[in-house]
Amino acid sequence: SQQGEEDPQALSIQEGENATMNCSYKTSINNLQWYRQNSGRGLVHLILIRSNEREKHSGRLRVTLDTSKKSSSLLITASRAADTASYFCATELNQAGTALIFGKGTTLSVSS
Amino acid sequence: GAVVSQHPSRVICKSGTSVKIECRSLDFQATTMFWYRQFPKQSLMLMATSNEGSKATYEQGVEKDKFLINHASLTLSTLTVTSAHPEDSSFYICSARGDPRGPQHFGDGTRLSIL
Repeated sequence: SQQGEEDPQALSIQEGENATMNCSYKTSINNLQWYRQNSGRGLVHLILIRSNEREKHSGRLRVTLDTSKKSSSLLITASRAADTASYFCATELNQAGTALIFGKGTTLSVSS
Repeated sequence: GAVVSQHPSRVICKSGTSVKIECRSLDFQATTMFWYRQFPKQSLMLMATSNEGSKATYEQGVEKDKFLINHASLTLSTLTVTSAHPEDSSFYICSARGDPRGPQHFGDGTRLSIL
């Protein structure tokens, strides 16, 4: 079953603009992770934010987590054409050893 | 870092063939491995959770007799798609976890195309 819902489903922007993707989930989590997937390829882990954290940065990426609203956002600043990909949030529940549950994903297109 | 190798990366075969996909943790022992399926333009759906030495736990709607999972060692899990049909064509991705509280490490996926 899927835990997360992302919006928007698709996002088209110009190079240099910022891209914001949102993720909502249903149950209590241990952490939330964001992944990138280029078309037809495997997953690339971007960032992990724990349930007791509110914001995390990694290069041009900024992730926020609001556990009261059960939502997270991924901001990519100064986007590049190479950022074109699908982005998924994935939640890890509190129970040890359980699988990551993925959201539906946002397809980002960055045109030069 | 932890590496998970998935093989083959692509399979094209005729309807009725059984296909085996391997997932190996190269530099750590994976107590748990997970198998996901991804249809075009959709998200990853968990198929089953596999613990070394025990039977896999399948998600609702996944046929255990259709998708055979064997996790015979701490570094290898296999998924066999038995008597594959065109509707089984999909992208299959495995992941492995060593520490139950640690991260999942993903393979690069296998694109299965059944003609």
